[in-house]
Amino acid sequence: QSALTQPPSASGSPGQSVTISCTGTSSDVGGYNYVSWYQQHPGKAPKLMIYEVSKRPSGVPDRFSGSKSGNTASLTVSGLQAEDEAGYYCLSYAGSNWVFGGGTKLTVL
Amino acid sequence: QVQLVESGGGVVQPGRSLRLSCAASGFTFSSHGMHWVRQAPGKGLEWVAVIWYDGSNKYHADSVKGRFTISRDNSKNTVYLQMNSLRAEDTAVYYCARWGEGKRLDYWGQGTLVTVSS
Repeated sequence: QSALTQPPSASGSPGQSVTISCTGTSSDVGGYNYVSWYQQHPGKAPKLMIYEVSKRPSGVPDRFSGSKSGNTASLTVSGLQAEDEAGYYCLSYAGSNWVFGGGTKLTVL
Repeated sequence: QVQLVESGGGVVQPGRSLRLSCAASGFTFSSHGMHWVRQAPGKGLEWVAVIWYDGSNKYHADSVKGRFTISRDNSKNTVYLQMNSLRAEDTAVYYCARWGEGKRLDYWGQGTLVTVSS
């Protein structure tokens, strides 16, 4: 049950796009289309942003999109806005358990 | 609206026990699996445990296996986390979350802080 690998930090200017990667193995990310992404502002509970690799819950802006290739999933935030500055975590189903990524701190410059 | 409210956190000495509760409302509790997730101070999220909608299956992370046990009472719309043999490294905010479609955690509580310290 090793954590998925995410870059510790990412950044972009308002209006730009940024992509955050999440690398696992064939036992988790690569083995199932059950990758989800969560946004967390300081002191707040996580919020679901993407599920099943690329689906968006209602209410989540279409600026957020997800994809997967092999053992790596990605979250792309387009048209960056100040309120997107937060921590982002990927989560993958792994057969009988779930595993999170280490988290990425997104800074809007 | 869906609400999840955790309780039971506090300061506890190493080696002691604590039971967390998560009261659910606003949805059919008995139709959903439930998770516990924790976050140590300044650290990332860590998945802790899951229980099926009917309690028939439950799984725990290796880091807590043998010490923590997830359970539920569908008559009380509540999921529990029994934590035994607590260690300093168990210090964290503990969140409960609903298991939604597609293995997602679609609703989260506000969390309860557990501090393990002598």
